[in-house]
Amino acid sequence: GNSVTQMEGPVTLSEEAFLTINCTYTATGYPSLFWYVQYPGEGLQLLLKATKADDKGSNKGFEATYRKETTSFHLEKGSVQVSDSAVYFCALTSQAGTALIFGKGTTLSVSS
Amino acid sequence: GAVVSQHPSRVICKSGTSVKIECRSLDFQATTMFWYRQFPKQSLMLMATSNEGSKATYEQGVEKDKFLINHASLTLSTLTVTSAHPEDSSFYICSAREVGTGSSEQYFGPGTRLTVT
Repeated sequence: GNSVTQMEGPVTLSEEAFLTINCTYTATGYPSLFWYVQYPGEGLQLLLKATKADDKGSNKGFEATYRKETTSFHLEKGSVQVSDSAVYFCALTSQAGTALIFGKGTTLSVSS
Repeated sequence: GAVVSQHPSRVICKSGTSVKIECRSLDFQATTMFWYRQFPKQSLMLMATSNEGSKATYEQGVEKDKFLINHASLTLSTLTVTSAHPEDSSFYICSAREVGTGSSEQYFGPGTRLTVT
């Protein structure tokens, strides 16, 4: 079945450091891929998405590229801020209208 | 942007009682809503898919008689935890998909923290 594997955290970085959170997936067909972010005490928010191979999703300085050959969708940011501290979830949906399948989440903690 | 609300945000109930959680799409209509459960420091696990006007589809291992889902309108789905026990304590999150779009995007509610004592 479909699944998402993302790196375990927590990830602890200093402000302005480079961030990578790895995400790989297993899916049949051509899934859509997502990164969601959950700030403390809040609900999930869509951070970025990509719907086909080689698409790059980007938002708020974060970006991720849909790599079909490596079945990956790694999240990157060149310079993190304290306000980026949150839990990040990689997710996929195999077709429009179906439920999301989530990775376990990676906690990011950024200190000044 | 599309907003989904949940009510209540937190609830504490006694073992054996039932609790109803509401999920509303505030500025769009949602044919399909999803209910997830999130355990501490773990991922979201899909419990059921709720379609307006029809019975919910439950994931394997989720007791449909315990977790009653009703999707009576295009803006409201409810999850009722019946005869709650301490092991039902969890964070319940709903999401909604907008009618008439081909988009796979879902909008999430802020979640409901259920504690059963």
